[in-house]
Amino acid sequence: EADIYQTPRYLVIGTGKKITLECSQTMGHDKMYWYQQDPGMELHLIHYSYGVNSTEKGDLSSESTVSRIRTEHFPLTLESARPSHTSQYLCASRETGTGVNTEAFFGQGTRLTVV
Amino acid sequence: SQQGEEDPQALSIQEGENATMNCSYKTSINNLQWYRQNSGRGLVHLILIRSNEREKHSGRLRVTLDTSKKSSSLLITASRAADTASYFCAMDTGRRALTFGSGTRLQVQP
Repeated sequence: EADIYQTPRYLVIGTGKKITLECSQTMGHDKMYWYQQDPGMELHLIHYSYGVNSTEKGDLSSESTVSRIRTEHFPLTLESARPSHTSQYLCASRETGTGVNTEAFFGQGTRLTVV
Repeated sequence: SQQGEEDPQALSIQEGENATMNCSYKTSINNLQWYRQNSGRGLVHLILIRSNEREKHSGRLRVTLDTSKKSSSLLITASRAADTASYFCAMDTGRRALTFGSGTRLQVQP
């Protein structure tokens, strides 16, 4: 089992609410990622971080924001949720190391429904 | 998909049969990885094949890579009902993050 945790697993929230999806890893990985995935579809990178105080937007435009104040913690925030934000959000981390051939570890995901 | 295509999109087989999934990608890679995702869950890493490797085995899994054709295949031998899941290839180009294919949904009938 990977030591990367996401909370909550499921969230149903009303339009306009502010939400924060939590992601924590205990493996000491520098690289962390947020992917968005609609059911049965491919993953789209929305945010990534190479380390503390380093965050970048991914390939898929997202209204969410992220922060990386501590190595182990990479929360994602939506200031004002909308029904179009309904999706599954997957957090992942990866060892930096000296080599490039490393695997990613994923959390269990947060399934967000905005009503 | 702009990242990678997998074929077939869905596959239904009987327990004991072999399952083959194919992945095609568009850019040069350092390695290609395969992941499994049970319904509504996160992804779990299965196997990694480097760009200078042509074939790799792990238990009932066999992966091939043809960099000249920019394609890979994942073979699961003697499938079990517990293998039912979605399978994704992921390309590591050395930039930013892994990019994922469109996935193959495998259903293994008991």
